[in-house]
Amino acid sequence: KAGVTQTPRYLIKTRGQQVTLSCSPISGHRSVSWYQQTPGQGLQFLFEYFSETQRNKGNFPGRFSGRQFSNSRSEMNVSTLELGDSALYLCASLRGGARGETQYFGPGTRLLVL
Amino acid sequence: SQELEQSPQSLIVQEGKNLTINCTSSKTLYGLYWYKQKYGEGLIFLMMLQKGGEEKSHEKITAKLDEKKQQSSLHITASQPSHAGIYLCGAHYNTDKLIFGTGTRLQVFP
Repeated sequence: KAGVTQTPRYLIKTRGQQVTLSCSPISGHRSVSWYQQTPGQGLQFLFEYFSETQRNKGNFPGRFSGRQFSNSRSEMNVSTLELGDSALYLCASLRGGARGETQYFGPGTRLLVL
Repeated sequence: SQELEQSPQSLIVQEGKNLTINCTSSKTLYGLYWYKQKYGEGLIFLMMLQKGGEEKSHEKITAKLDEKKQQSSLHITASQPSHAGIYLCGAHYNTDKLIFGTGTRLQVFP
């Protein structure tokens, strides 16, 4: 069974631009969570989607948004990029998204904002 | 404030030595996950502990959950260079989202 895939793996953008990252969960998994990882703040939860609906949301500004498609693939978008948005963005896949389920992570997308 | 604190933040050990990483919660734990991350890569699931007193092992890694102390420990026996990486604990609190600890960076030298 294929694992979680994220594209692109690396991205360089400039301040003010916007970016879209993609995550394809494990086949049969319906929940996708997104995380931001930085050296200063560690791993922080962005949001979770289940069956095309946002189910949980972290404490990030509205510039960060996401969506999930009917095939469970998910995208996250960051508009008006800031230098502080430079980070490793990870997505995780779960079968049903219930508490107690294991989250399987993708390799991440490393975003550098110049 | 951080809900999950890990200690130590960084650990350098000689190959073959045993080591322990701790994860302490400021709130009641409903289960705890341990993940390992190679630098700049995704997280690899190690194990999940759900009940107080539960102990699980995978190869040379053992994790325990002490619900009373709201703490979990991860113990590596006879460390190897392949054990190097960042170890992260994660927990659910009153929502389904997973909160992660501060991380422990482990280096193993020959």
